[in-house]
Amino acid sequence: DAKTTQPTSMDCAEGRAANLPCNHSTISGNEYVYWYRQIHSQGPQYIIHGLKNIETNEMASLIITEDRKSSTLILPHATLRDTAVYYCIVRVAEGFQKLVFGTGTRLLVSP
Amino acid sequence: AAGVIQSPRHLIKEKRETATLKCYPIPRHDTVYWYQQGPGQDPQFLISFYEKMQSDKGSIPDRFSAQQFSDYHSELNMSSLELGDSALYFCASSLGGWGLVDEQFFGPGTRLTVL
Repeated sequence: DAKTTQPTSMDCAEGRAANLPCNHSTISGNEYVYWYRQIHSQGPQYIIHGLKNIETNEMASLIITEDRKSSTLILPHATLRDTAVYYCIVRVAEGFQKLVFGTGTRLLVSP
Repeated sequence: AAGVIQSPRHLIKEKRETATLKCYPIPRHDTVYWYQQGPGQDPQFLISFYEKMQSDKGSIPDRFSAQQFSDYHSELNMSSLELGDSALYFCASSLGGWGLVDEQFFGPGTRLTVL
């Protein structure tokens, strides 16, 4: 699986958009970009995944650059409950592939 | 909606004792994963099962073993416990198989404390 690089921490004001970057310059053509988050000591939670371009769901949007070497997770209106560690994971999409968690980005949403 | 169930939620053991952690996947999910998260660390993959067969293995100590049963629930057996085994143990489940773009659903975890 390709290695990812994320900032260690980020701050965001409540109600503003949170933009979390991820670099994955060695991504292969058959690898997807997944985002999970972990709210303090809870089980990680799936957010979104994508192969290219833009993906959007009820939680977030994922923008993958055209060369696929980086991506940005966007939480459009961050709330205090979005404070968590966000993990960007690159992996193939077969149905029983493990998740390899890196260090992630600790997002702090403040009032 | 039904979620992944883990039991017990908390477990306290002495060194050299054994422990068994149980995981009940979401109904119809056939793949189970175990992850270990030490204090201040990120989750680390231990082992996974697909259709009751081991599908992948990570940095799981030889003192640990696991299996998936016919009803797809899984158990992680830990023997000769050491202080360093104190951690959160997460189970996740998914609908496995080749060509599926799956997401893993995590349980609430079992907090194991070894004294």
